[in-house]
Order: sequence, then structure tokens, then C-alpha cells
Amino acid sequence: DQQVKQNSPSLSVQEGRISILNCDYTNSMFDYFLWYKKYPAEGPTFLISISSIKDKNEDGRFTVFLNKSAKHLSLHIVPSQPGDSAVYFCAASHFYSGGGADGLTFGKGTHLIIQP
Amino acid sequence: GAVVSQHPSWVICKSGTSVKIECRSLDFQATTMFWYRQFPKQSLMLMATSNEGSKATYEQGVEKDKFLINHASLTLSTLTVTSAHPEDSSFYICSARGDGEIGYGYTFGSGTRLTVV
Repeated sequence: DQQVKQNSPSLSVQEGRISILNCDYTNSMFDYFLWYKKYPAEGPTFLISISSIKDKNEDGRFTVFLNKSAKHLSLHIVPSQPGDSAVYFCAASHFYSGGGADGLTFGKGTHLIIQP
Repeated sequence: GAVVSQHPSWVICKSGTSVKIECRSLDFQATTMFWYRQFPKQSLMLMATSNEGSKATYEQGVEKDKFLINHASLTLSTLTVTSAHPEDSSFYICSARGDGEIGYGYTFGSGTRLTVV
């Protein structure tokens, strides 16, 4: 039973346009969400995160939106650049009040291809 | 920023032998380390969580006697794949979390490609 779902295995976007990657989750305990970029045979690279107390977080070209009622988040990349081509993983976790946190639950990833 | 070093980056071993993978946090104390596995074209799956000085907690379906995890210090965790078989061939990635400002998030190592022949 997948608790974090990325329903688009791939997405093709023209350079300069906006890329929107979507992610849905089912576990109500998740309160911290992250997006990672990954290349084959490499570890994931952190992009941006958002806590469940917020609905938007922005960092440069990357913006993450969280809709808690719909259990949905999205990553917007604008403008998209050729170097953005990679697999993007959505991940979720639960943080404890004492400072600890669960391991991450990942989606299956979306392969983003930026067309020149 | 937080850096996690993972070694080796790739290893080939014979069926039945054991392989050890090291994960080190270089500039922060990792109170918690996580081990993941990724099969080709699949997601990263959490295998186990280890807190320094405690026994690791394994996810359902992960054999604790096969995947031995040691987190003896605040900067080092090891994963030993014992009596490896071809079906253990996978990409193993560690992640570390600290309590301080550095390493508060999840910092990943670069991964280890294990091939069992």
C-alpha cells in the first residue's frame, strides 16, 4: 500500500516554461514533506521542504505547495532549465515533539525532461 | 552544510560472502541514521532506522539477521549484508539526521551499488 504517490512517471516540459510535479499522500501522520532530485547511481539531492503548518514554501526557482485537506503537494520549477532534467522524488515523514523523526517514505518518482 | 560520506560507491561480491557499507557524517553528529534500498526504476525503500548506541529498528519484511546495522558512534553507521545472494543486488543509500542546526534535515550519502555474482 503506497502511502506517497507520484502518478506521473514522466513529464516533458519546454525550457523556460513552468514544470509542475505532483504528489499525493494517504498517511495523516505525515507532517513534513520534501522534494529530492536524483540521478541514477547517486544519492538524492535535497531541493525544498515544507512543514504541514505551511501551505507554501519558496526557494529561488522552486516552490512547493501543500494542500493538507486534499493530501496533495506539488513542486513548481520556473523557469525550467535543461539542467533540471532528472528524476524527482516526493518524500514524507513525521516529526516528533522531542526532536526525532521517522525515516522518509518516498514516492516512485517522476522523470522530468526539459526540452530545449 | 551537512555532508554524509558513504563507502564504497560500488562493490561486486561472490554469492555467500558478506559486504560492509560505511556511512559517515562529516560535519555533524548524526543521532539517527537511516538505510534505504532502491531497485532499478523503483522508489527508495526504507530498510531500517538506527539511533546511536541502540539497536536498529527494521521495517517490515527486512531481515535483521541478513542486514546487520551498527551505529556505534555519532558519526558512523555500517550496514553489513551477510551471506549475500544475487537478489540482494541493489543500490543502498544511507541518510543521517542530527539535532543541531547542521544536519537537522535528512542528508543522504552518495549510495553504494552492490552486485552479487
